[in-house]
Amino acid sequence: DAKTTQPNSMESNEEEPVHLPCNHSTISGTDYIHWYRQLPSQGPEYVIHGLTSNVNNRMASLAIAEDRKSSTLILHRATLRDAAVYYCILGAGGTSYGKLTFGQGTILTVHP
Amino acid sequence: GAVVSQHPSRVICKSGTSVKIECRSLDFQATTMFWYRQFPKKSLMLMATSNEGSKATYEQGVEKDKFLINHASLTLSTLTVTSAHPEDSSFYICSAARQALSTGELFFGEGSRLTVL
Repeated sequence: DAKTTQPNSMESNEEEPVHLPCNHSTISGTDYIHWYRQLPSQGPEYVIHGLTSNVNNRMASLAIAEDRKSSTLILHRATLRDAAVYYCILGAGGTSYGKLTFGQGTILTVHP
Repeated sequence: GAVVSQHPSRVICKSGTSVKIECRSLDFQATTMFWYRQFPKKSLMLMATSNEGSKATYEQGVEKDKFLINHASLTLSTLTVTSAHPEDSSFYICSAARQALSTGELFFGEGSRLTVL
């Protein structure tokens, strides 16, 4: 499985934008880039995913580099509820869909 | 939105007993579900893929006789930890996809924390 590299931790202030980076230099052409987040003692929650183009949804934006070797999850205005572990995961579609290999993720701390 | 529910959320059992954890997709049919385990301050590790109507596919190193998976219907998968021991204490999480062969959102359960005394 192609791997991702994320910073262990990041900090932000409430209501400020947060840019969470992810490197995936060995990504294959069919790998989707998924972002999930996990609050303590809860299951992961879907944030966003994309293949080549930048993506926006109500939770966040995903900026994908042109060579697809890196991506950035953007939280436009961090809130205290956004404090979580954020996982950047490469996932294939088709029959392998759903078999996600979680890395260590980035622990996001949001200060009031 | 779609919801995946697990039960029980917490369970404490004695060493040597078996524990069953249920994973239900509440508003969609899931031909495939996935089971993960997570130790404190660690990431999730995929244990097995649960396929409706057929045998589960286990990841390398996961004992299939220890962790019995049954996917009897399109909305229910169960994980039974047999003859549990303290080292089996962990946070068990299931997930499901709304559609097979999809590339979108996976829905995760709330997790089940198992403590084996």
